[in-house]
Amino acid sequence: GEDVEQSLFLSVREGDSSVINCTYTDSSSTYLYWYKQEPGAGLQLLTYIFSNMDMKQDQRLTVLLNKKDKHLSLRIADTQTGDSAIYFCAESETDSSYKLIFGSGTRLLVRP
Amino acid sequence: KAGVTQTPRYLIKTRGQQVTLSCSPISGHRSVSWYQQTPGQGLQFLFEYFSETQRNKGNFPGRFSGRQFSNSRSEMNVSTLELGDSALYLCASSLATSNNEQFFGPGTRLTVL
Repeated sequence: GEDVEQSLFLSVREGDSSVINCTYTDSSSTYLYWYKQEPGAGLQLLTYIFSNMDMKQDQRLTVLLNKKDKHLSLRIADTQTGDSAIYFCAESETDSSYKLIFGSGTRLLVRP
Repeated sequence: KAGVTQTPRYLIKTRGQQVTLSCSPISGHRSVSWYQQTPGQGLQFLFEYFSETQRNKGNFPGRFSGRQFSNSRSEMNVSTLELGDSALYLCASSLATSNNEQFFGPGTRLTVL
């Protein structure tokens, strides 16, 4: 079955880069997503990548996809205290399904 | 453009009761999905509606049901509440295009006592 795994916790110093990693199992996934959740809030879509791409950059965010290893990463450049949150990666089950399979989330703590 | 809205934001119920949660999608979005978020199980897909039809359903008991209206607004209902139903219920709307961008509301925090 499908499964998405993430490390639980990451701590970085303000101004450094953060790299959050994710592995997935469904080779038929066509899109992979990164969401951010702040305390008491819903999920904010940060970015997504189509499975035939290997990199996507959007301002401070860089997504890398290694389809062979089913590994996805999110790099946040110049991490700020406002980036402290839980980050979820998710995959679409198939091209025609709107079901998202989420990882357990990585809590990012940015130290001043 | 207004985002996804969910009402109520907080709800306290007792075991055995039923509850109805409401979701208004972003204007123009015809797909609405529901997810349950708990500390133990994480984010789990409940169901997805498009044009008033349920297209996909997660692995939840029949006590969890939903519907979608002609204006794309959606409701989900949980009957015979159990303590384990305490969770954040999130609604997401989508244009239902191939990239499946889903935009989430703030959620309804349900506490079952």
